Amino acid sequence: DVYLVESGGGLVQPGRSLTLSCRGSGFTFGDYVFSWFRQAPGKGLEWVGFIRNQALGGTSVYAPSVMGRFTFSRDDSNNIAYVEMSGLKIEDTGVYFCSLGGNGDYWGQGTLVSVSS
Amino acid sequence: DIVMTQSPLSLSVAPGQPATISCKSSQSLLYSDGKTYLYWFLQKPGQSPQLLMYEVSSRFSGVPDRFSGSGSGTDFTLRISRVEAEDVGIYHCMQATRFPLTFGQGTRLDIK
Repeated sequence: DVYLVESGGGLVQPGRSLTLSCRGSGFTFGDYVFSWFRQAPGKGLEWVGFIRNQALGGTSVYAPSVMGRFTFSRDDSNNIAYVEMSGLKIEDTGVYFCSLGGNGDYWGQGTLVSVSS
Repeated sequence: DIVMTQSPLSLSVAPGQPATISCKSSQSLLYSDGKTYLYWFLQKPGQSPQLLMYEVSSRFSGVPDRFSGSGSGTDFTLRISRVEAEDVGIYHCMQATRFPLTFGQGTRLDIK
């Protein structure tokens, strides 16, 4: 079975940084694209972006709302994907989900990021 | 950005009855490779989203055949032939034809 577990969420002040992790198991981690999505409290889903696997160049695509502030990375030897978030804004508050595949095949349970002063 | 508009935003259905959710896009979702990248997800209460349908009408692994998807261009539909109690939650459509990927507002389904 596919398992994805996010961690690293928490309360952070505006302008500060936070890094989220997504650990995967039950599949060959390095073969897959990993996507990130988020959901503000009581709101709909928003695509954050994705990081390709090495076979596709390992490059990333970002949503305009996070471009230049968020950076995706991955450690295929340890089955972990990361999103480093800097310059956090209040509107970045929400539950962040990692997902297997470019289009949301499997999702983790999410980790809550709260940006507040 | 492509705007996705779902309707209705909520519906209440008796067990065993059908349900239909519409999703309309502001631009055609037909990609140059001939595929249409329209997806449906169900987010059950307190859970993360789960993929139901991909590329309009293909059921994801383990999805019951009472779920079906149809449509083309800018108009898409998710149908549940006979609603069961486990189908409650919020249904989201998503387009992946053009960046940025975008979602509809979500449709809440509950049981009468």
